[in-house]
Amino acid sequence: SYELTQPPSVSVSPGQTARITCSGDALPKQYTYWYQQKPGQAPVVVIYKDSERPSGIPERFSGSSSGTIVTLTISGVQAEDEADYYCQSADSRGTYRVFGGGTKLTVL
Amino acid sequence: QIQLVQSGGEVRQPGASVKVSCKASGYTFTDYGINWVRQAPGQGLEWMGWISGYNADTQYAQKFQGRVTLTTDTGTSTAYMELSSLRSDDTAVYFCARDAGEEYDNSGYYPGWFDPWGQGTQVTVSS
Repeated sequence: SYELTQPPSVSVSPGQTARITCSGDALPKQYTYWYQQKPGQAPVVVIYKDSERPSGIPERFSGSSSGTIVTLTISGVQAEDEADYYCQSADSRGTYRVFGGGTKLTVL
Repeated sequence: QIQLVQSGGEVRQPGASVKVSCKASGYTFTDYGINWVRQAPGQGLEWMGWISGYNADTQYAQKFQGRVTLTTDTGTSTAYMELSSLRSDDTAVYFCARDAGEEYDNSGYYPGWFDPWGQGTQVTVSS
């Protein structure tokens, strides 16, 4: 079955830039979406269609893609950004949705 | 506002079944699909399947084929997820989430993202 791969953890100091990657063979063919999940809460989309930011999401969140790797970038990380982040996409035909394993962002 | 409200927590014995509901409001139910996602304790998100709000077409993750059944009641704008033959490793929070932004073009189909999500339903499987 199709899989997306994320690093388990990323740590940055406040004000620094955090980059979280997601890799998968079908990413050039399907959009990637990024979700933020804080403890005890449902996930919230922070990036859709690879690089679009929903209204209400701070400008410091951005997304980019290059081949089979997509990246969520958080510029000027704040303490409130500490959370789990998940990428989500689909197989090449769009039949099956899939999540990456998740990345825990720690703000030092 | 657009909202998905799920049913309350459930406790089941191994081998039993559980049915979780997800009531939608604030939009036309038949215009969007509903996805089901689960999260085991301390683990990541796992997509279980999708159901069309329009015609109840379904797509199930291979892992859950034969054990999960998704249905809808358009009269009450409610989606349901039933999981059978429960095991201890089915203990998890189960979320419903609405489809958003799907696209079609000459090259294929591009599923959208999940927004909004329900609040989650804790299902505990224990003897």
